[in-house]
Amino acid sequence: GAGVSQSPRYKVAKRGQDVALRCDPISGHVSLFWYQQALGQGPEFLTYFQNEAQLDKSGLPSDRFFAERPEGSVSTLKIQRTQQEDSAVYLCASSVDRVGSAETQYFGPGTRLLVL
Amino acid sequence: EDKVVQSPLSLVVHEGDTVTLNCSYEVTNFRSLLWYKQEKKAPTFLFMLTSSGIEKKSGRLSSILDKKELFSILNITATQTGDSAIYLCAVLSWSGGGNKLTFGTGTQLKVEL
Repeated sequence: GAGVSQSPRYKVAKRGQDVALRCDPISGHVSLFWYQQALGQGPEFLTYFQNEAQLDKSGLPSDRFFAERPEGSVSTLKIQRTQQEDSAVYLCASSVDRVGSAETQYFGPGTRLLVL
Repeated sequence: EDKVVQSPLSLVVHEGDTVTLNCSYEVTNFRSLLWYKQEKKAPTFLFMLTSSGIEKKSGRLSSILDKKELFSILNITATQTGDSAIYLCAVLSWSGGGNKLTFGTGTQLKVEL
């Protein structure tokens, strides 16, 4: 596709519910990133994939957060037993990212998650 | 821990004014500094700066990086209401076998008629 797409665009969950957020990166992009953006804050890094390998998950706030990219393209961010503090916009970005390069990351529109 | 600090946090100007947004950083394994504009959706890319002292320009926007003093500025001349947005500064660094972006909290710019 022309850009990074994410679904759903909006998700309302009851506290304790599990949610799954999907990201379709730009075709051919090797690297995929997930960010969490709370209201009034800049995006904060959650995790990073190079193809199907999750190389960095240091930003995941707890073991309730899990991300996968099994075939090196589409990625899913799963949040188990959601809490109110999980309410945020979840942004996905992808880049061509040849190893050692400094490629620009292109962002999707985000999924706005509200936990009640 | 990598850190990016932006100032001011918010700014209100009138159309036609010139604004300067600031970004300072402390990161290990610096690769580049990026500026993004965020309206109500995803951040959209403005500039990537890798070398000190070389100004990048795009229309009324320009940006420069000082790698010695660890800061960058984004200038917008002859501001228009359509420039109203959050401007995010991010630093790309090498981490864990790949590149990682650390963002500042952004500067919220409002341009009034």
